[in-house]
Amino acid sequence: NAGVMQNPRHLVRRRGQEARLRCSPMKGHSHVYWYRQLPEEGLKFMVYLQKENIIDESGMPKERFSAEFPKEGPSILRIQQVVRGDSAAYFCASSRSGVEAFFGQGTRLTVV
Amino acid sequence: KNEVEQSPQNLTAQEGEFITINCSYSVGISALHWLQQHPGGGIVSLFMLSSGKKKHGRLIATINIQEKHSSLHITASHPRDSAVYICAARRAEGGSEKLVFGKGTKLTVNP
Repeated sequence: NAGVMQNPRHLVRRRGQEARLRCSPMKGHSHVYWYRQLPEEGLKFMVYLQKENIIDESGMPKERFSAEFPKEGPSILRIQQVVRGDSAAYFCASSRSGVEAFFGQGTRLTVV
Repeated sequence: KNEVEQSPQNLTAQEGEFITINCSYSVGISALHWLQQHPGGGIVSLFMLSSGKKKHGRLIATINIQEKHSSLHITASHPRDSAVYICAARRAEGGSEKLVFGKGTKLTVNP
């Protein structure tokens, strides 16, 4: 039973480009959470999704950021027109019931 | 003031020492998580607890709901325990439950 898979592990984007981060939850898990870890800061909640639904996006920046979890395929966190301040580690976690959470290895985004 | 506070921020120990990391929270929670993060690595969930005490190998986690305090203990510490340990409080907000994280405690265990 593979764990939570995130790809890519490292992503470099130039300012103004789009970044797409993928998260494949553990088998049987229908709850997905995205978190951001800025340099020298703690993890911050971004968004909580269940299959095809956004449950809570209160931690998402109002512009340029979006997330989806389609019926088939991984959850995608999309950042449009990236800026240097978007450079961070983005972690995904999944759970079966919305309680216990299993984390992925993270995607480290660098904006140059 | 952060809703979840950890202490100490940094901790250096000699191999074999008993380690304690503390976590205090100011919000009502349904559970508290302890996580481990190695440099450049992913996050591993160590414990989720809502009362009492849990033990896994050399790791012990305790929580006191009345005092809003949890501790993570490592017995007979080893250099491979070197990592950042993160406390996270699970709380209900806006119709869903989400994790609020402490800033982490960086542990270095020297041989």
